[in-house]
Amino acid sequence: AQSVTQLGSHVSVSEGALVLLRCNYSSSVPPYLFWYVQYPNQGLQLLLKYTSAATLVKGINGFEAEFKKSETSFHLTKPSAHMSDAAEYFCAAAVNNDMRFGAGTRLTVKP
Amino acid sequence: GAGVSQTPSNKVTEKGKYVELRCDPISGHTALYWYRQSLGQGPEFLIYFQGTGAADDSGLPNDRFFAVRPEGSVSTLKIQRTERGDSAVYLCASSPSPGTSGIQETQYFGPGTRLLVL
Repeated sequence: AQSVTQLGSHVSVSEGALVLLRCNYSSSVPPYLFWYVQYPNQGLQLLLKYTSAATLVKGINGFEAEFKKSETSFHLTKPSAHMSDAAEYFCAAAVNNDMRFGAGTRLTVKP
Repeated sequence: GAGVSQTPSNKVTEKGKYVELRCDPISGHTALYWYRQSLGQGPEFLIYFQGTGAADDSGLPNDRFFAVRPEGSVSTLKIQRTERGDSAVYLCASSPSPGTSGIQETQYFGPGTRLLVL
């Protein structure tokens, strides 16, 4: 089955700085890839998804991710962090209805 | 027009007891998923329904766990003889029919039920 690794359980950036959250996957077949965000005491919300169309995927709130097959990566970026971006971010890979999540990265944004 | 709802939001029970967790999906969504999220971990797939039938229950950890969706809408996750290790947040998600591409459709998650087994 596929698996997902998120490098860095905690990432801290200053407001206005670049956000980079790393995600690598392992799968025997090309998976669909997702980034979800979880705010405190709320459900998971989809940020963006890759489904074999364009390799650069734009999502909500200014986030985007690039699928790189050669690196088996799907890193999430945002050019300028905002205080409201502080949350837990999960990368996920899905093959045939089987969705596997990474352990998550907690993003802290410092004023 | 509400999203996915789950009840109760919190459940405290004693080891060995039986619990039921309920999920109300978004109206019209045919696919429903249950996940378990332990502290510091990502969600772990448990079971997937397409309509009334369980299309994939390979994630259920053992036979103490069972889920139903009798009318193709509301689903109940049932845990028998609860153990302390069952303590986690149980998440439910729903999506429109996945069509021919399986899980490609966006899953919409509920806020979860936090289960604590003492």
